[in-house]
Amino acid sequence: DADVTQTPRNRITKTGKRIMLECSQTKGHDRMYWYRQDPGLGLRLIYYSFDVKDINKGEISDGYSVSRQAQAKFSLSLESAIPNQTALYFCATSDRDSDDRYGYTFGSGTRLTVV
Amino acid sequence: GENVEQHPSTLSVQEGDSAVIKCTYSDSASNYFPWYKQELGKRPQLIIDIRSNVGEKKDQRIAVTLNKTAKHFSLHITETQPEDSAVYFCAASIRSGGYNKLIFGAGTRLAVHP
Repeated sequence: DADVTQTPRNRITKTGKRIMLECSQTKGHDRMYWYRQDPGLGLRLIYYSFDVKDINKGEISDGYSVSRQAQAKFSLSLESAIPNQTALYFCATSDRDSDDRYGYTFGSGTRLTVV
Repeated sequence: GENVEQHPSTLSVQEGDSAVIKCTYSDSASNYFPWYKQELGKRPQLIIDIRSNVGEKKDQRIAVTLNKTAKHFSLHITETQPEDSAVYFCAASIRSGGYNKLIFGAGTRLAVHP
């Protein structure tokens, strides 16, 4: 599916560097999310945005920041990368339908390694 | 805070057997419970979901049950096949600022052996 696109797919960066992960979607959804996946820890929410002017911290926001540039774009930044931020990062979008469901569509993921 | 616990973390079954994955949630206001399947190297994809006004939902070989009183829900896969091998995540909706977001369990790695 090309409807939620993450760039880059893979990235190796050095400790202390600033890095931005980008997410764009063509689904027309208002809600966008950034999750981090680590083995044994599942998917943990970093930040989420319910519309362009709304930004909320998730359960593990320290060391991260986000920008919602447009309805279709939601970027995640690591201001000063550290090795324990090495993980697989997923962007997701959602919309609410009339049946009160909140199913997410995930992007393909960005594998980030901080050395 | 709100959390979702998922068990087991790994599950190994023989092809044709059934597999059951269980989750518990903490927020009694949760009203939506999706399950995602993540194949190796791929993104999580929604496979089935259930709302709080329904106790059970079935889609071919997969089914989900919900016990709101006990705050737990389960995924059942019957007649497992090797292509069912993947990591499965449960999730529960959490109310926040007038909107719902999803909290995920830690995942179950299912291996189906031929």
